[in-house]
Amino acid sequence: GAGVSQTPSNKVTEKGKYVELRCDPISGHTALYWYRQSLGQGPEFLIYFQGTGAADDSGLPNDRFFAVRPEGSVSTLKIQRTERGDSAVYLCASSLSFSGGTVDTQYFGPGTRLTVL
Amino acid sequence: AQKITQTQPGMFVQEKEAVTLDCTYDTSDPSYGLFWYKQPSSGEMIFLIYQGSYDQQNATEGRYSLNFQKARKSANLVISASQLGDSAMYFCAMSDPPPGDYKLSFGAGTTVTVRA
Repeated sequence: GAGVSQTPSNKVTEKGKYVELRCDPISGHTALYWYRQSLGQGPEFLIYFQGTGAADDSGLPNDRFFAVRPEGSVSTLKIQRTERGDSAVYLCASSLSFSGGTVDTQYFGPGTRLTVL
Repeated sequence: AQKITQTQPGMFVQEKEAVTLDCTYDTSDPSYGLFWYKQPSSGEMIFLIYQGSYDQQNATEGRYSLNFQKARKSANLVISASQLGDSAMYFCAMSDPPPGDYKLSFGAGTTVTVRA
């Protein structure tokens, strides 16, 4: 079946602009995650959705970052007033349904490479 | 966030040989999960193997096995019979303790290059 898809695959923008990154999870997966991967590093957690609600947004670096998942499927990560330091690969993952204490493998998409000039 | 250390930035391995990727972690919580992911040049993170902190046996998945040494806080990945397609970046990750165990913390990764 289809995996996690992310669009666009690449996004180049200018400092101060607004961007939206989209994630389409695996069908039937209720849990969705965003991570950010800077060059030469492992991914860092940003936010976790269970259904439509953001269950944990503690990884969002500041209030310029916001994410939504209005219908419990597709999610959009929104970045306002972009800065050069926001340049990174933004990875989305989904999992079947997180239940504490059980293994719930996260499946990742190919990422969106964001470059802020 | 949990701390994961991968001390090998890059490794070369001959095709058909085995390779061990090191991973150590730091936690004071008894409940956690350990994961290995593969990231080829295409960028997608591919799940390889999982080990729970209470699992008695080392996890195995095909050519992948996890050498779990709990007392040493070590979770090394062993890839047997390396193939050219194994060339990629490999990340070790650990889940936070409950109730936040949906959150993964990743190491810096190890680049593996398989030589023909």
